[in-house]
Amino acid sequence: EAGVAQSPRYKIIEKRQSVAFWCNPISGHATLYWYQQILGQGPKLLIQFQNNGVVDDSQLPKDRFSAERLKGVDSTLKIQPAKLEDSAVYLCASSSRTTSTDTQYFGPGTRLTVL
Amino acid sequence: GEDVEQSLFLSVREGDSSVINCTYTDSSSTYLYWYKQEPGAGLQLLTYIFSNMDMKQDQRLTVLLNKKDKHLSLRIADTQTGDSAIYFCAATDSWGKLQFGAGTQVVVTP
Repeated sequence: EAGVAQSPRYKIIEKRQSVAFWCNPISGHATLYWYQQILGQGPKLLIQFQNNGVVDDSQLPKDRFSAERLKGVDSTLKIQPAKLEDSAVYLCASSSRTTSTDTQYFGPGTRLTVL
Repeated sequence: GEDVEQSLFLSVREGDSSVINCTYTDSSSTYLYWYKQEPGAGLQLLTYIFSNMDMKQDQRLTVLLNKKDKHLSLRIADTQTGDSAIYFCAATDSWGKLQFGAGTQVVVTP
């Protein structure tokens, strides 16, 4: 079974520029998550989708971050404009919600550096 | 909300056992997880335990849960150099959201 795919793996931009990340979850997984992991910290949830609907975006800085999952499969996370403090690894995870554990499986992440 | 805490660093000799500790605050946490993160990689699920269990063993990994003290530990038997990584403890909060600790860096020395 293929895992969660993310691209690009690395991105370097200047502040005030825009950037987009892409995620393809495990096939059949209805729930998709985007996390931000700042160096030295654990991942922090930004947004959770169930199919193509948003379940939780309470931690998403909506003035600059947006995310979509139009067909309930792939998802994109966008930052516009980027700030220095957005430098982090952006992790995508998915879960099936077919078992009570709702275990999340993570992709390799996109490392963003904002200069 | 849920607060998950871990010690930041652990050094262990190859062949010895490692014990990584974690505490959490939300007594309603249903599932508790251990993830491993190697440099430049995403989080790999190692194991999880349901809150009505007090122990789970999976090959070299043993998870102990003390629900009264809200304390979780991960024991790695016969630690190998490939076990060098950052280990994250995570607990579901009352909303079902996964809350992570800051991670414990494990360094295995020959």
